[in-house]
Amino acid sequence: KAGVTQTPRYLIKTRGQQVTLSCSPISGHRSVSWYQQTPGQGLQFLFEYFSETQRNKGNFPGRFSGRQFSNSRSEMNVSTLELGDSALYLCASSLDRGLEETQYFGPGTRLLVL
Amino acid sequence: GDSVTQMEGPVTLSEEAFLTINCTYTATGYPSLFWYVQYPGEGLQLLLKATKADDKGSNKGFEATYRKETTSFHLEKGSVQVSDSAVYFCALSGPNTGNQFYFGTGTSLTVIP
Repeated sequence: KAGVTQTPRYLIKTRGQQVTLSCSPISGHRSVSWYQQTPGQGLQFLFEYFSETQRNKGNFPGRFSGRQFSNSRSEMNVSTLELGDSALYLCASSLDRGLEETQYFGPGTRLLVL
Repeated sequence: GDSVTQMEGPVTLSEEAFLTINCTYTATGYPSLFWYVQYPGEGLQLLLKATKADDKGSNKGFEATYRKETTSFHLEKGSVQVSDSAVYFCALSGPNTGNQFYFGTGTSLTVIP
């Protein structure tokens, strides 16, 4: 079974631009979560989508948004990029809510904002 | 709120040394506990997990036991290899977290030959 895939793997943007990142979950997984990873802040939860609905949201500004499609693929968008948005963005998928749930991570998209 | 506290790194060990990475948690209810590993340039991979008290998760020679009385989930390996060099993250999730994962800050391990 194919793992979680993320595209693109690397991205360079300039301040003020916007960016869209894509995540394809493992087949059959309906929950997709997004995380931002930086050396200073570690792994920070952005949001989670399940069946095209946002179920959880972390403490990020409204510039960060996401969506999920009917095939469970998800995108996240960051508008008006700032230098501090440079990070590794990780997507994780899981089957469904449950006590024994496990999240499976993609390789990440490394975003550099200049 | 729920949280995970992880041993500060970096940790440097010689090959075949014993490894312990401490992890303690704060949570309401009974979360599931996880260890993830991140190799350079890659995403996180599930290493092991435990879903209830006294459960022991194990994989690739690594072990961790869910200790409710000490709210701990320490990672151990009897004999580390150079290929174990990576960053290790402790995490929790459960019904009281809305199944959101809470990660520790990560512990960087370097194993030298």
